[in-house]
Amino acid sequence: RKEVEQDPGPFNVPEGATVAFNCTYSNSASQSFFWYRQDCRKEPKLLMSVYSSGNEDGRFTAQLNRASQYISLLIRDSKLSDSATYLCAVNTQYGNQFYFGTGTSLTVIP
Amino acid sequence: NAGVTQTPKFRVLKTGQSMTLLCAQDMNHEYMYWYRQDPGMGLRLIHYSVGEGTTAKGEVPDGYNVSRLKKQNFLLGLESAAPSQTSVYFCASSKELAGVSTQYFGPGTRLTVL
Repeated sequence: RKEVEQDPGPFNVPEGATVAFNCTYSNSASQSFFWYRQDCRKEPKLLMSVYSSGNEDGRFTAQLNRASQYISLLIRDSKLSDSATYLCAVNTQYGNQFYFGTGTSLTVIP
Repeated sequence: NAGVTQTPKFRVLKTGQSMTLLCAQDMNHEYMYWYRQDPGMGLRLIHYSVGEGTTAKGEVPDGYNVSRLKKQNFLLGLESAAPSQTSVYFCASSKELAGVSTQYFGPGTRLTVL
């Protein structure tokens, strides 16, 4: 079983739409959670960390559900510039390893 | 402050050739990592290091070796390249702060093995 699983999509949404991605993780000892954004042929860049109480950064909201072992990312009022692949990541403290999902592709259409 | 840098950006090898990928970070991070990214497979950890002079195997270590002789550098070696090692290689570093570790990635090395 993979450590982290996410729906690869693709998600094609119109500008202004709200879109949500989910990611499940298998290790209940996971301690830290993240969403990364990756543009085509570029490196992943940290979008936001995910805190237990949920957190928001502008149009982006991240939530963590430890009981069901999933994290989510909500993007409101989608912009063309949001088109990218979104990767979730979890971290355990066993050697400080990170596990990444395969990524969800988002295309925002004019 | 350059963050994480990788050398080279692109490389084409023939089967059986060897090469070393260099990763350098100027953020004084303790932890460094090498990943490969293939279509549909996501990022897979090859090797990682929790400090100068230490290395450990990740999910897909076979065919690769690493060294961390200096805190700021993490080298990934391919002794005898195979076509299955054609991939994009990303280096990353992280430092724990207030119980949370965040990874920062280099720009990647695109390797093709013919």
